Amino acid sequence: GEDVEQSLFLSVREGDSSVINCTYTDSSSTYLYWYKQEPGAGLQLLTYIFSNMDMKQDQRLTVLLNKKDKHLSLRIADTQTGDSAIYFCAESLASGGSYIPTFGRGTSLIVHP
Amino acid sequence: DAGVTQSPTHLIKTRGQQVTLRCSPKSGHDTVSWYQQALGQGPQFIFQYYEEEERQRGNFPDRFSGHQFPNYSSELNVNALLLGDSALYLCASSLVPGRPYGYTFGSGTRLTVV
Repeated sequence: GEDVEQSLFLSVREGDSSVINCTYTDSSSTYLYWYKQEPGAGLQLLTYIFSNMDMKQDQRLTVLLNKKDKHLSLRIADTQTGDSAIYFCAESLASGGSYIPTFGRGTSLIVHP
Repeated sequence: DAGVTQSPTHLIKTRGQQVTLRCSPKSGHDTVSWYQQALGQGPQFIFQYYEEEERQRGNFPDRFSGHQFPNYSSELNVNALLLGDSALYLCASSLVPGRPYGYTFGSGTRLTVV
């Protein structure tokens, strides 16, 4: 995951907004993703954004993409304790006909009452 | 509708041994990818199988090999286990390799090498 960097921890109070940030290095990345991993579980795709988009909103989730700075963020509105998990940023580009996500190390989100 | 199923869930092996991990893809999916997730790290891509052939491979040694069966299920084999192979091994299935999204992950196999 050295091509994708994330801060390791984020602590927020229940009801506040959470913003998880990510930087990536490959300017030819075509898709960028946010995955969620709860303890003992696999990864769940939360949302993705195509590289020609600046923003994508899906219910409580807002993804912002700054291609110039290669910066991706995930905002979770009205964060709940059930949102506590590890969030992975990932990038992919078409290679041999496949899109293989490359993951960052993950940001551990802790939501406290 | 069952998602991705992996077996076993936990495994303990001795250094130098060989191990086989199994994955059944989500119904309707035909492509299987394997990832290694070391503690505190993000998943690292090992390889991807489609039409019973290895299509893409990450930066892993030849000790890591795989297979895909006609029913799309897959195995990951690791020979000559090292302590550093201890990790969570994740299987992800998708519909054809060319889709940029739609990976469904299993819960993983926790391998401990002692």
